[in-house]
Amino acid sequence: AQSVTQLDSQVPVFEEAPVELRCNYSSSVSVYLFWYVQYPNQGLQLLLKYLSGSTLVKGINGFEAEFNKSQTSFHLRKPSVHISDTAEYFCAVSALTGTASKLTFGTGTRLQVTL
Amino acid sequence: DGGITQSPKYLFRKEGQNVTLSCEQNLNHDAMYWYRQDPGQGLRLIYYSQIVNDFQKGDIAEGYSVSREKKESFPLTVTSAQKNPTAFYLCASSIGGRVVDTQYFGPGTRLTVL
Repeated sequence: AQSVTQLDSQVPVFEEAPVELRCNYSSSVSVYLFWYVQYPNQGLQLLLKYLSGSTLVKGINGFEAEFNKSQTSFHLRKPSVHISDTAEYFCAVSALTGTASKLTFGTGTRLQVTL
Repeated sequence: DGGITQSPKYLFRKEGQNVTLSCEQNLNHDAMYWYRQDPGQGLRLIYYSQIVNDFQKGDIAEGYSVSREKKESFPLTVTSAQKNPTAFYLCASSIGGRVVDTQYFGPGTRLTVL
């Protein structure tokens, strides 16, 4: 079974500052990794995903994430945030050996951007 | 425009009543999913379906039922057996049910039990 830990439940940051949202996972098999964003009272939107290849993954809205297998991490970063980035961010994993697309989600990190 | 629609956006029900949440997609996706979201707990998988007329239980299926009679529709019934039904319910779909297939989410239905 897989598990995902998002250590920070809330991250406050000023506009134009850089931000890193942390994600660590646990799995006995190789995994695919995802970051989703959720704006208030809306569904989730895929930001980026790591399936294979380069460990640095670029996504939408200027976000990127780096897969670190030795540290079992997949931290999300953005060099300069905007007010509109205020939202809940979810990290998720899916085991490669599964026969179905079953995502295991972290508990989420609320990013609060202020002026 | 292709996408996933969920209705209604807000739903209220009295204790002891069954209620059905709608999920429709016009993406021609084979697989569909239902998740439950509670504050501070992330999303948990209720049921999923990889193909029409077939579905499997997720991690928290007790008190819920589903059907998949059409490719584009995957309704979820919250029965009176579900002890804590108040939550935000999200439907998702993917082109196939493979591990590598990205899931796309609908806007959600917020269910409140009075």
